Amino acid sequence: AQSVTQLGSHVSVSEGALVLLRCNYSSSVPPYLFWYVQYPNQGLQLLLKYTTGATLVKGINGFEAEFKKSETSFHLTKPSAHMSDAAEYFCAVSGPGTASKLTFGTGTRLQVTL
Amino acid sequence: DARVTQTPRHKVTEMGQEVTMRCQPILGHNTVFWYRQTMMQGLELLAYFRNRAPLDDSGMPKDRFSAEMPDATLATLKIQPSEPRDSAVYFCASGFERGYTFGSGTRLTVV
Repeated sequence: AQSVTQLGSHVSVSEGALVLLRCNYSSSVPPYLFWYVQYPNQGLQLLLKYTTGATLVKGINGFEAEFKKSETSFHLTKPSAHMSDAAEYFCAVSGPGTASKLTFGTGTRLQVTL
Repeated sequence: DARVTQTPRHKVTEMGQEVTMRCQPILGHNTVFWYRQTMMQGLELLAYFRNRAPLDDSGMPKDRFSAEMPDATLATLKIQPSEPRDSAVYFCASGFERGYTFGSGTRLTVV
C-alpha cells in the first residue's frame, strides 16, 4: 500500500518569501511522486513529477521538488512566492505496475499575503 | 494541448434520480481514474481502469454507483438512486503510470 502525508493543511507566506510545502510518502515499491495544484473551482493541474533519474525536479511556475529516499520526502519549494501562487496543493504517489493507483494527500492551502 | 473532457460541468438533481457523468480520456492513455472531492473527505478514489478493464472500484458504494468504459473514448460514472450525500465534485483523470491529466470535473448537487 502507498500513502502520502502532507504536513500543514494551511501555509501562509508573504509575497517574495520562500514557499515550502511538505510531503512524506510511504511505499513498498519505488515510488512515482507528483505535485498537483488546484485553483478555486478548477481541476487539478500537474506541477511536477518524479519517476526515475534526477532527484531534483523542476516544474511549472518556478516550483521544484527534491526526492529524498532516505527521508521518504518530496517537499515542494519555490524561492519567491507570488500572489498568483495562492491555491491548494496536493502531493500524490503511485508506482510501477500494479502499484499504479494514484493516492493523494489531504492537501495544503497556500495563502500569499502582501 | 490534449484535454480530458468531462460532461456535464454542473448537475443539479433531485434525490432518487439517476445521474450519469461522462469522461472522454485523452486518446492513447491507458489508465482512467474517477475521483470524488468534498471538503470533508478530500480526494477519494472511486474506481480506475487500465486498458478499459476495471482494476479497483473498492472506493465506490456498490449499491448505487457503477463505473464503466464502454470504449476507449468514453468512461461513465452512474449513481442510481442519488442521495444528498453524493453532492461533490467528481473528477476524471487519464494517463499512464508516470503521469495523469485531470478533467475540469462535474459539480453534482443532489437536493
